[in-house]
Amino acid sequence: AQSVTQLGSHVSVSEGALVLLRCNYSSSVPPYLFWYVQYPNQGLQLLLKYTSAATLVKGINGFEAEFKKSETSFHLTKPSAHMSDAAEYFCAVSVGGYNKLIFGAGTRLAVHP
Amino acid sequence: DTGVSQDPRHKITKRGQNVTFRCDPISEHNRLYWYRQTLGQGPEFLTYFQNEAQLEKSRLLSDRFSAERPKGSFSTLEIQRTEQGDSAMYLCASSLAHRTSGSAETQYFGPGTRLLVL
Repeated sequence: AQSVTQLGSHVSVSEGALVLLRCNYSSSVPPYLFWYVQYPNQGLQLLLKYTSAATLVKGINGFEAEFKKSETSFHLTKPSAHMSDAAEYFCAVSVGGYNKLIFGAGTRLAVHP
Repeated sequence: DTGVSQDPRHKITKRGQNVTFRCDPISEHNRLYWYRQTLGQGPEFLTYFQNEAQLEKSRLLSDRFSAERPKGSFSTLEIQRTEQGDSAMYLCASSLAHRTSGSAETQYFGPGTRLLVL
């Protein structure tokens, strides 16, 4: 069965520092993988997705993620954190022909001056 | 395109009461999903519609839960005889699936309905 594990429920970085949010997946078939961001009291917004094309995926707001099959990972990075990046981030894997999403527990990113 | 909308945004009810939530997907989107998100957790899949047909229900969806999508447009999620454990954020998402998109089309989420059962 497909599953997602996000390492670290809370990550804190300084403004301008590298952001690294970790995601490992388990899937019996080649996966489709997603990163979503959720701001307080809002729904989820897609940052980027991996669909078996390029392994390095670029998303919105300067985020990118690299699919590593050998490590079953899909970590999210951003070279320089901005205060506006403070939010909760969810990694998800797509299941089934109709794209049911299985989410990780989320990582709350805090950015301090 | 106004995005996915949900109504109400907040609902407080007493245990044992029935509640109904509405989701209006992005027009022309043929797939609609309901998820539930509890504090500190990621969203969990509840159910899915392809047009007006409900094609899967999670085991999380007890007999007290029912969802409809008449005419393949808006959807409603009803919870009967609410329990305190039903307190959560209920999220709706929609997507446009093409025959060639496989499982990779983007789901667009609404702002959610936050339910508190007292």
